[in-house]
Amino acid sequence: GAVVSQHPSRVICKSGTSVKIECRSLDFQATTMFWYRQFPKQSLMLMATSNEGSKATYEQGVEKDKFLINHASLTLSTLTVTSAHPEDSSFYICSALRLRGQFFGPGTRLTVL
Amino acid sequence: DQQVKQNSPSLSVQEGRISILNCDYTNSMFDYFLWYKKYPAEGPTFLISISSIKDKNEDGRFTVFLNKSAKHLSLHIVPSQPGDSAVYFCAASRSNFGNEKLTFGTGTRLTIIP
Repeated sequence: GAVVSQHPSRVICKSGTSVKIECRSLDFQATTMFWYRQFPKQSLMLMATSNEGSKATYEQGVEKDKFLINHASLTLSTLTVTSAHPEDSSFYICSALRLRGQFFGPGTRLTVL
Repeated sequence: DQQVKQNSPSLSVQEGRISILNCDYTNSMFDYFLWYKKYPAEGPTFLISISSIKDKNEDGRFTVFLNKSAKHLSLHIVPSQPGDSAVYFCAASRSNFGNEKLTFGTGTRLTIIP
């Protein structure tokens, strides 16, 4: 199967700090990865599409300077939440594209105090 | 603007019976629909999909029905098993190319009662 991991699974940070979340495809190479955010009782919302070796494509309303995405290799994409604030507290999930399907990571719960 | 809606946040079904999960969408540009299953602390896993040129797709115990004129799809699980207890998300995209953006519903928590 296609396995995608995320690290960390949970993170608590102070307001104003930056947090990096890693998304790895463990047994396949992924040119394209996606980053989603899910608020409680809401749907998964696509934040950005990450392409290896090029700039990420952000969805409307997502601040690219706040949510930095780096897809430096075919198996790793990182999302850095810069200067985090309590309203950034959410569940962040990545997915990696393989053939025609998206395979999701287990998610990262971010809590900003 | 919630383009994909799952109006039932939760559903309880007796083991062995049929579970029916519903999903409505508003964007007529959507051409491909998927159902995902999610356990706590895990990412969504793909269950079944359907293209807009079909009205039914079946895979084992899972069948997805699409009513394009009503912009409605449903997932039928029969017979329901305790392991089916999870949150189910429907999702839609403009094509079946994997790099096409997925728009998700809010999910329905299915509980199978032994």
